Amino acid sequence: QVQLQESGPGLVKASETLSLTCTASGASMSTYYWSWIRQSPGKGLEWVGYVSYSGTTNYNPSLKSRVTISIDTARRQFSLKLTSVTAADTAVYYCATDGGSRPNWGQGILVAVSS
Amino acid sequence: DIVMTQSPDSLAVSLGERATINCKSSQSVLNRSNYKNHVTWYQQKPGQPPKLLIYWASTRESGVPDRFSGSGSGTDFTLTISSLQAEDVAVYYCQQYYDFPRTFGQGTKVEIK
Repeated sequence: QVQLQESGPGLVKASETLSLTCTASGASMSTYYWSWIRQSPGKGLEWVGYVSYSGTTNYNPSLKSRVTISIDTARRQFSLKLTSVTAADTAVYYCATDGGSRPNWGQGILVAVSS
Repeated sequence: DIVMTQSPDSLAVSLGERATINCKSSQSVLNRSNYKNHVTWYQQKPGQPPKLLIYWASTRESGVPDRFSGSGSGTDFTLTISSLQAEDVAVYYCQQYYDFPRTFGQGTKVEIK
């Protein structure tokens, strides 16, 4: 069973860059796509994007201009950077696996954007 | 993008009764190379991450009670709770993983009548 743990600042200032890291255990990094999903308070779920073992990425078009997802296979980590954040980016950010037989999710981390 | 539309937005069901949630995709999510429908169902309780219930549209996740079942193919999918228990009060989401961007339904809130 894959285990995922998000980490990073819980508070980011508006116009700055949100940076989160997800640490994976329990599976080869080559098995899955490694993805980020977010959920704004009281709202539904929004897929942010993924990075593959080889570094290939795919982003949600709604965020593509501001998002970078990268991978460090040696550290078994993948990271999310979201630039020029606004209050609308306040959300719980989940890392998750994609591909394989079934998805695995982390517990999520709440990131608030302050003005 | 594939749009996933759930119905109803909310429903109230008596304890022990059946709850049915529908999810319709704007295009087929059936992979004809493996004949699998790329749909998952999640349960989310307040303050918790989504919990995987069903994948491949009808495969129950290990440890999920058998009162939960998924069905459907192509564009129309259903999550059924055969006998609603108090602990099933939650918001339920469908998701397609047939194409990118991955997309979710808007959620269905299940309550006790």
